[in-house]
Amino acid sequence: DAGVTQSPTHLIKTRGQQVTLRCSPKSGHDTVSWYQQALGQGPQFIFQYYEEEERQRGNFPDRFSGHQFPNYSSELNVNALLLGDSALYLCASSLNGDRGRETQYFGPGTRLLVL
Amino acid sequence: DAKTTQPPSMDCAEGRAANLPCNHSTISGNEYVYWYRQIHSQGPQYIIHGLKNNETNEMASLIITEDRKSSTLILPHATLRDTAVYYCIVRVAMPTYGQNFVFGPGTRLSVLP
Repeated sequence: DAGVTQSPTHLIKTRGQQVTLRCSPKSGHDTVSWYQQALGQGPQFIFQYYEEEERQRGNFPDRFSGHQFPNYSSELNVNALLLGDSALYLCASSLNGDRGRETQYFGPGTRLLVL
Repeated sequence: DAKTTQPPSMDCAEGRAANLPCNHSTISGNEYVYWYRQIHSQGPQYIIHGLKNNETNEMASLIITEDRKSSTLILPHATLRDTAVYYCIVRVAMPTYGQNFVFGPGTRLSVLP
């Protein structure tokens, strides 16, 4: 049973560029959440997708956008990259509607470096 | 979401029990306590969660005080591979809406040989 997978594992971009990160959820999961983790800090929630719609969002600017596909996989897009966007980007999947047992399972992350 | 307070770091001898405390004094009645850990440069790994009863699984035990204002994660026989940052999170269960987790800085556990 495959867990959460993310691609690519590492990425280097320059300021002003755009980036797309990808996530495939754990088998049987229908909900995908994205987190940003800066060096030395805990993960910070960006947004969550369910039924191909963004249903919850953290305190991140509109430069951060996402998409969920019919097969539940998801993309995170970041436009106009800033140096401060350098971080580990984590995807987590869960199964909606398990009444308090919606445990999120995390992927290995994509490490983005903006120069 | 209720905030949590954890010690920034702890040491534990290999083979001994590691007891990681967490304070969540403003927790509400419908909020669960979750524990995750993150080994260097990997994604967080789910450990255990509970509401008010003590819980145990193959990885750890979770002890929640009767007033629910604090909890302790117990790794019964710590190994070097348990060295990681441990996050205690409280999260409300919203059956019709998504969950997200608010991570604090966690406790850096070092298991020493």
